[in-house]
Amino acid sequence: AQSVTQLDSQVPVFEEAPVELRCNYSSSVSVYLFWYVQYPNQGLQLLLKYLSGSTLVKGINGFEAEFNKSQTSFHLRKPSVHISDTAEYFCAVTRKYSGAGSYQLTFGKGTKLSVIP
Amino acid sequence: DVKVTQSSRYLVKRTGEKVFLECVQDMDHENMFWYRQDPGLGLRLIYFSYDVKMKEKGDIPEGYSVSREKKERFSLILESASTNQTSMYLCASSLDSSGYGYTFGSGTRLTVV
Repeated sequence: AQSVTQLDSQVPVFEEAPVELRCNYSSSVSVYLFWYVQYPNQGLQLLLKYLSGSTLVKGINGFEAEFNKSQTSFHLRKPSVHISDTAEYFCAVTRKYSGAGSYQLTFGKGTKLSVIP
Repeated sequence: DVKVTQSSRYLVKRTGEKVFLECVQDMDHENMFWYRQDPGLGLRLIYFSYDVKMKEKGDIPEGYSVSREKKERFSLILESASTNQTSMYLCASSLDSSGYGYTFGSGTRLTVV
């Protein structure tokens, strides 16, 4: 069963406009939450993570995300995007695999952010 | 910085061939992973390993096997490649099993013809 839902597969936005990329997760999984970014022809890079504590998490490149337990959401935001933010963004949660008894990452299907000049 | 190196960036193989995808990490991480990335499907876990010679199936292990003879190296094996295994393959490693602190390689784009 899918543990992470990214609500938008593609998000076009004009340069310098704000953006929100939405992510919802299944409440049954462990609440370690992550956003990764993948620039064209590159691997994944960690943007930010929520492990515990403050529900507002700040990451690299001016991104931030808010953990909302009641709505089981972890939306990613940036107040003003740049052309260089054009990439695919993945939300991920930890999930326990019963076989090994360890926690592994489960990813959403990704959201492609296109910043328009 | 931790580096995860995947030996090939692009690979083209014929249907039925045995294919090896190699991944090496240089920071003594316990855990290593193989994901497959397809458009609109995100990343799906194929196999992972939490120790040398140990392996666990992920969500889509069918048609794949893995080998971890040394701590730093984790190989993904396609015993008989098929066209539906054309995809981007990403390797990752992490220090512990808590689920965070993953480092990804740059990926291998495999085309099976």
